[in-house]
Amino acid sequence: QKEVEQDPGPLSVPEGAIVSLNCTYSNSAFQYFMWYRQYSRKGPELLMYTYSSGNKEDGRFTAQVDKSSKYISLFIRDSQPSDSATYLCAMSAVQAGTALIFGKGTTLSVSS
Amino acid sequence: EPEVTQTPSHQVTQMGQEVILRCVPISNHLYFYWYRQILGQKVEFLVSFYNNEISEKSEIFDDQFSVERPDGSNFTLKIRSTKLEDSAMYFCASSRGGQGASGYTFGSGTRLTVV
Repeated sequence: QKEVEQDPGPLSVPEGAIVSLNCTYSNSAFQYFMWYRQYSRKGPELLMYTYSSGNKEDGRFTAQVDKSSKYISLFIRDSQPSDSATYLCAMSAVQAGTALIFGKGTTLSVSS
Repeated sequence: EPEVTQTPSHQVTQMGQEVILRCVPISNHLYFYWYRQILGQKVEFLVSFYNNEISEKSEIFDDQFSVERPDGSNFTLKIRSTKLEDSAMYFCASSRGGQGASGYTFGSGTRLTVV
């Protein structure tokens, strides 16, 4: 099984803080990178989807991929208590039809 | 917003019994998947399905497991003889593939408890 590493936290921040979540991976074949949010005993909810290296922004969320370092990040600006959840990174070598490999998830708590 | 629907949300079964978990993927998606998550652990890939056949499976997906797309909308996971260690959340996912692909969409899951 290809490996993806993610610091499980927990990570506690005050409301309004900038949050940085990260994953590293070892398989250079990974090309497609995703970030999911998961609430307790619920399914992963797709937040960001990126292909290859670069940045992508969606509202308060920014995803960065650095393939040369095998490192991906998710930044959350102006964090809110409703952002409290577990954040999972996931990646795959091809676009569809193959295994999506997940990190273990980082648990984030945003206090008001 | 289109969604992946899973039923039941929670299933309790006796060890050795067969269970069928059901999923309705997003209608224009072509790729279907099953994943599982044991409490406190990573989400793990089980199997992917495309064009009415398995395209990839993990070592977890042994002969006790099977998948089927019995009609144009449902996608099922069958566990033939459940074991205690099969207790987990099972997630169905689907993806579109091709141009305009935007990642894998997951259902809310079925919590399987084997007693």
